[in-house]
Amino acid sequence: DGGITQSPKYLFRKEGQNVTLSCEQNLNHDAMYWYRQDPGQGLRLIYYSQIVNDFQKGDIAEGYSVSREKKESFPLTVTSAQKNPTAFYLCASSIGSGSLYNEQFFGPGTRLTVL
Amino acid sequence: QKEVEQNSGPLSVPEGAIASLNCTYSDRVSQSFFWYRQYSGKSPELIMSIYSNGDKEDGRFTAQLNKASQYVSLLIRDSQPSDSATYLCAVTGRETGGFKTIFGAGTRLFVKA
Repeated sequence: DGGITQSPKYLFRKEGQNVTLSCEQNLNHDAMYWYRQDPGQGLRLIYYSQIVNDFQKGDIAEGYSVSREKKESFPLTVTSAQKNPTAFYLCASSIGSGSLYNEQFFGPGTRLTVL
Repeated sequence: QKEVEQNSGPLSVPEGAIASLNCTYSDRVSQSFFWYRQYSGKSPELIMSIYSNGDKEDGRFTAQLNKASQYVSLLIRDSQPSDSATYLCAVTGRETGGFKTIFGAGTRLFVKA
């Protein structure tokens, strides 16, 4: 089955820890995205990547880092510099971000909680 | 700064009625519009895309786009309790270096059995 997978489903972080959220897709999509969702708010873009070995900051990149070494994978690291990381993290992919017909498809999400 | 506005709701409709969800956007160069359904605790699921003015129908869903008035709406006919969810509007427009998609905060829909 084609789709986007995220792991883990739930993640708990202690103060000062870095944690990495996994995102994998087998849709052969070029573009991948990371969003953060807080209760009652829309999706806010953290980072996006249009092609392997390239990525750009979104609106709230501070305290986060990403890599794109493979087309299928776009892991997100939440660093200790992110002071309020408790949120629902969503990974998405699309055929390419260089088009208006940019339907994004989402993984199941990772819920991160700071202890 | 592009903005996408939605009434947070909840919008409550009886089973079998038509649910009407609205979305306005601030950027006149926005050109692609999407509706996502998000059940509580789950990720968004794409249900409709619309790119030109007018109506687009898919089963019980109809998306309506009016670029002159800068709004896009989603109608759900014969609403079912299983339609109870948050509906996110997303708008894509051209920006320096490519395209950008902005999501609204969503409208909560509750369909009463």
